[in-house]
Amino acid sequence: KAGVTQTPRYLIKTRGQQVTLSCSPISGHRSVSWYQQTPGQGLQFLFEYFSETQRNKGNFPGRFSGRQFSNSRSEMNVSTLELGDSALYLCASSSTGGENTEAFFGQGTRLTVV
Amino acid sequence: SQKIEQNSEALNIQEGKTATLTCNYTNYSPAYLQWYRQDPGRGPVFLLLIRENEKEKRKERLKVTFDTTLKQSLFHITASQPADSATYLCALDNTGKLIFGQGTTLQVKP
Repeated sequence: KAGVTQTPRYLIKTRGQQVTLSCSPISGHRSVSWYQQTPGQGLQFLFEYFSETQRNKGNFPGRFSGRQFSNSRSEMNVSTLELGDSALYLCASSSTGGENTEAFFGQGTRLTVV
Repeated sequence: SQKIEQNSEALNIQEGKTATLTCNYTNYSPAYLQWYRQDPGRGPVFLLLIRENEKEKRKERLKVTFDTTLKQSLFHITASQPADSATYLCALDNTGKLIFGQGTTLQVKP
């Protein structure tokens, strides 16, 4: 069974630009969550999608958005990039979501904003 | 405010000893708690899940305890090996969101 795949692995963008990150979950998993990881803040929850609907949301500004497709693949978009958005963005999939199920993480996308 | 606290200082131990990592939380009432391992540049990997009605869970050399009165979970690695060196994260469910602690870095010296 293939694991969670995130693309691209590395990205360099300029302030003010926008970026789209992609996540392909494990086959059969319907829940996809996104996290931002920085040395200072650790892993912070961005949002969770389940069956194409946003089910949970963290405390991030509206510049951070996402969506999920009918095949459970998910994308995350960050508009008007700021230097502070430089981070490792991780996606995790699970069969049903937060309740009592383990999360399988991808390798992450390392975003650098210059 | 809600907090999940793990020891931010790295834990250095000698090979063969037992490593004990702590996860404390406040203003949460999680139904379960999970532990993950993260290596540099990689995503976290699930290790163990323990439910609120379970006091202890074991998997090979790993043991987790969950004390809902103390609001604390302890994670033990017995007979530690240099390959166990990594950052260990605890995570708990908060209304469907998996919330992580900052992690504790474990260094096992040969």
